[in-house]
Amino acid sequence: SQTIHQWPATLVQPVGSPLSLECTVEGTSNPNLYWYRQAAGRGLQLLFYSVGIGQISSEVPQNLSASRPQDRQFILSSKKLLLSDSGFYLCAWSVMGGSKNIQYFGAGTRLSVL
Amino acid sequence: GQQVMQIPQYQHVQEGEDFTTYCNSSTTLSNIQWYKQRPGGHPVFLIQLVKSGEVKKQKRLTFQFGEAKKNSSLHITATQTTDVGTYFCAGKGGTSYGKLTFGQGTILTVHP
Repeated sequence: SQTIHQWPATLVQPVGSPLSLECTVEGTSNPNLYWYRQAAGRGLQLLFYSVGIGQISSEVPQNLSASRPQDRQFILSSKKLLLSDSGFYLCAWSVMGGSKNIQYFGAGTRLSVL
Repeated sequence: GQQVMQIPQYQHVQEGEDFTTYCNSSTTLSNIQWYKQRPGGHPVFLIQLVKSGEVKKQKRLTFQFGEAKKNSSLHITATQTTDVGTYFCAGKGGTSYGKLTFGQGTILTVHP
């Protein structure tokens, strides 16, 4: 069966520090991968999605970047965090090319930038 | 771009009352999905609707997809405290690859 791992679960970082959040998927090949951000009590904002290794599409201009160095690994990064980067970051995957496009989410990372 | 509006933003009900959340897309969708996020948790897939006018049921939950494939609803009969959480609809356009456009979600609170 497929599983998605996301870490860390909680992170507190000072303003101006770098960020690296990692997401890995097991049990499937060539998935679509997604990074979302959710502000408290709000909806899901799609940040990046990837349809293959090295292929990243950015949805919202911002202080963040994403990379996909391996088929089932998706990394969210920042060189210098801003206060506004605080939020709940969720990684998700879906079947490549599947008609259902159901997205399966990781447990998320709660990032507080102070 | 495609937009998906969801109402209401919040809903407070007494246990046993019914609950409905509505979703409306600015464009025709190829399918619509519903997700539930428990407090402190992550979104979990509930169901997908594909056909025009489709109605699906999961126990006390009834999902509908509009005839024009631009709107959808989720109705919960006789809410229970376990129904607490945020319900999201998510629409897929015709050429959006795997991307979904999520509604803002409806936060449901159930008072015992």
